[in-house]
Amino acid sequence: TQLLEQSPQFLSIQEGENLTVYCNSSSVFSSLQWYRQEPGEGPVLLVTVVTGGEVKKLKRLTFQFGDARKDSSLHITAAQPGDTGLYLCAGEGDYKLSFGAGTTVTVRA
Amino acid sequence: DVKVTQSSRYLVKRTGEKVFLECVQDMDHENMFWYRQDPGLGLRLIYFSYDVKMKEKGDIPEGYSVSREKKERFSLILESASTNQTSMYLCASSLYAGGSPLHFGNGTRLTVT
Repeated sequence: TQLLEQSPQFLSIQEGENLTVYCNSSSVFSSLQWYRQEPGEGPVLLVTVVTGGEVKKLKRLTFQFGDARKDSSLHITAAQPGDTGLYLCAGEGDYKLSFGAGTTVTVRA
Repeated sequence: DVKVTQSSRYLVKRTGEKVFLECVQDMDHENMFWYRQDPGLGLRLIYFSYDVKMKEKGDIPEGYSVSREKKERFSLILESASTNQTSMYLCASSLYAGGSPLHFGNGTRLTVT
């Protein structure tokens, strides 16, 4: 199993602030996926990044895949309470997904 | 929209009981998965299936078995539940094999006492 480390484990910020979540590994991945999980629900896919150096934007969320395809980051601009949730990264390797432990983000109104 | 439905949101079972967790998907996906989610450990793959009657062990299959008699249904079985199997169980499906994006159910929180 390829290990994915997410940091920080917990993040609590005020509405309107920016935040960045990191996902790092010593392994190379074919692609990397980001999911958000809200309390009482299953994870929902936000984005898939495939190419080293790729940057994808989804409204106020910016996802980046490292040049070496070993790491990724998620940046949220002007966070809102609706961004609260558990953010999970998952790397594709050996024809399966390996998940990080997640970052719990709380955005206070 | 893909819908993955897990039959129970909460279950409480006694040690030694046989437990069945059921999952149904409505999008004709070939691949189905069972994960358990524990704080600080993320999602760990228990078993997966890429076709009817086919199954493959994931990273933590010990103490579990699965059944896939129909394409849309994937069952997780705890032959003799133990307290260390208390966890959130998530079922997922995907259109393609490998690292194809997953569609998750809302989870079953199992407590074994």
